Amino acid sequence: LAKTTQPISMDSYEGQEVNITCSHNNIATNDYITWYQQFPSQGPRFIIQGYKTKVTNEVASLFIPADRKSSTLSLPRVSLSDTAVYYCLVGDRGAGNMLTFGGGTRLMVKP
Amino acid sequence: GAGVSQSPRYKVAKRGQDVALRCDPISGHVSLFWYQQALGQGPEFLTYFQNEAQLDKSGLPSDRFFAERPEGSVSTLKIQRTQQEDSAVYLCASSLREGLEYEQYFGPGTRLTVT
Repeated sequence: LAKTTQPISMDSYEGQEVNITCSHNNIATNDYITWYQQFPSQGPRFIIQGYKTKVTNEVASLFIPADRKSSTLSLPRVSLSDTAVYYCLVGDRGAGNMLTFGGGTRLMVKP
Repeated sequence: GAGVSQSPRYKVAKRGQDVALRCDPISGHVSLFWYQQALGQGPEFLTYFQNEAQLDKSGLPSDRFFAERPEGSVSTLKIQRTQQEDSAVYLCASSLREGLEYEQYFGPGTRLTVT
């Protein structure tokens, strides 16, 4: 499985755009990139998944460069309620089902 | 609709006691997963069911851990002779079908404290 590296923590202020970058140098051809969000005392929640270029949904955008060795989760105009841990996961859709989480990035949004 | 529910939400056990943790997945979800999350860490995979079949139990840390899903819906994770290192949050997740393209929906977890 491709190993992922992301910052341990980040701080931001309400209304700002937050970009969290994840490195996955050993990503395989069939691997997809998925991001999950986890609030305290809750289970993780799916945010977004992509393979290449850009994916956008109502919550976030995911930017993946051509070499796919990294990806950036972009949260537009964060609010206090976006304070959470964000996990970047890389895996082959067809190679099993378990999710392999790393340590995640603790995002703190300040007023 | 109802999400994944887990019970109890909190469990305190004395070392050596047996515990049983319950997971009610979303109705109709074929796949069910158990994860263990230590404080400050990301969740770690324990085991996976497709309907009633346990297809992967490679993440179970010892033979004290046992999981079942006899009718393909509710699942129970049992830990025998609990040890202090078993203290963690145990998360259950379900997904509609097999495959990572199907989103996994997580329950709130059961926080187990072994004293």
